[in-house]
Amino acid sequence: GENVEQHPSTLSVQEGDSAVIKCTYSDSASNYFPWYKQELGKRPQLIIDIRSNVGEKKDQRIAVTLNKTAKHFSLHITETQPEDSAVYFCAADNQAGTALIFGKGTTLSVSS
Amino acid sequence: NAGVTQTPKFQVLKTGQSMTLQCAQDMNHNSMYWYRQDPGMGLRLIYYSASEGTTDKGEVPNGYNVSRLNKREFSLRLESAAPSQTSVYFCASSEVVGDPYEQYFGPGTRLTVT
Repeated sequence: GENVEQHPSTLSVQEGDSAVIKCTYSDSASNYFPWYKQELGKRPQLIIDIRSNVGEKKDQRIAVTLNKTAKHFSLHITETQPEDSAVYFCAADNQAGTALIFGKGTTLSVSS
Repeated sequence: NAGVTQTPKFQVLKTGQSMTLQCAQDMNHNSMYWYRQDPGMGLRLIYYSASEGTTDKGEVPNGYNVSRLNKREFSLRLESAAPSQTSVYFCASSEVVGDPYEQYFGPGTRLTVT
């Protein structure tokens, strides 16, 4: 089945710096790659997603890039702020396109 | 519009006891999911229901059963709880079968098995 690897597991940056989180997936049939943010004690929420027919997508300070040949995708956060501190999860859809498989998460800490 | 709701919020069980976690959504979504979240392990899919009347195993189905009661409700049952099932359980739902758009998560159930 699909397997999603996510790195790093923890990331500490200074306010204003950029943060990059990388994921690789195993199933070449995957077509949908969302990113979720989970603040402490809260539920995960979608922040951005990308589909296999697009190489890059941007929404204000966050962007996601996808390399289908290499089977990896990345989340980029620019001008980080303390409120960006959270756990971030990448995911990829299964072969049937009916469920998501999540990575193990990256704990991002932004210090001011 | 409550979104995805889960009951209970917290539960403590003894080894061997059984319980059912309830989940309901009011967004008319076709697909519903159960995940468990453990430190350092991310969100692992237990079972999912791509549409009313169907259920499928996810990554970690052993020790669990599910029921898609109707389009709104999807329950998760632990028949004989074990300490390894201590976790936070999240239910989620999404709109379109075959093309998983945004999954909306419930607030979670924190389960402790002693």
